[in-house]
Amino acid sequence: QVQLQESGPGLVKPSETLALTCTVSGGTLSGHYWTWIRQSPGKGLEWLGYIHYDERTVYNPSLERRLTMSVDTSRNLLSLILRSVTAADTAVYFCARLPDFSGWPFDSWGQGTLVTVSS
Amino acid sequence: DVQLTQSPSSLSASVGDRVTIACRASQTSSPSLNWYQQKPGKAPKLLIYAVSTLQSGVPSRFSGSGSGTDFTLTINGLHPEDSATYLCQQSHSFPYTFGPGTKVEI
Repeated sequence: QVQLQESGPGLVKPSETLALTCTVSGGTLSGHYWTWIRQSPGKGLEWLGYIHYDERTVYNPSLERRLTMSVDTSRNLLSLILRSVTAADTAVYFCARLPDFSGWPFDSWGQGTLVTVSS
Repeated sequence: DVQLTQSPSSLSASVGDRVTIACRASQTSSPSLNWYQQKPGKAPKLLIYAVSTLQSGVPSRFSGSGSGTDFTLTINGLHPEDSATYLCQQSHSFPYTFGPGTKVEI
C-alpha cells in the first residue's frame, strides 16, 4: 500500500518561494505519474499539475509560469516549487498518485500540508 | 477549462436512504470522470473511477453512472459513516478539474 507524506514550511511570506516535498513509501515512483493538488476555502480543489517518474510534466496553465515539479527516484521524493506567492496561494497542498489506467483518477493521497502566505 | 457543477450542493438524509448526486460537465468528460469522498480535515478518498468502476475496498453501496456530460453518484442504503462531502473530478481534458462538492449530512 503506497503512502505519501507532504512536508513544508507552513508559513511563507508574500513574493517569496514555496517549496514542498512529498515522500513516497511502500512503493516506488517508477512507472507512475504523480500529481499535486491544493484546496483553499475560496477555490475548492485545484489541480496544479503532474509529473511522470521520467520527469515529463504537465502544469495547470493558471500556474505554469510560477510552478516547477521534480522527482528524485533514488530517494522516492517529489518536489514542488511555487514562486512569487501571494495570499491566494494559501491552501492545503496534497500530493497524490495518478495511475495511468482508465479514468486517470488520483488513487492515493497524502494527508496534506497547510501553507499560509502572510507577512 | 472543463467546469463541473454538482447538485444538490448539500442534502440531509437518513440511515438507509438512497442518495443521488449529480455532476454535470461543461464538455464531454467520458470516460475520465471520477468520484471522491472527503471528510473534514482529511484528504479526498477515491470511490469511483472511469464513471462506474468501484475502487478496491469501497463498499458496493456506492455506484456511478453516466456518459457525455452528465454523471451520477448513488449511495444505496446510507450508513452513518457516509456523512461527508462528495466531489466529482474529470481527467479528460487539461487542466484536470473538480466539482464544488455535495455535502451529505445524516
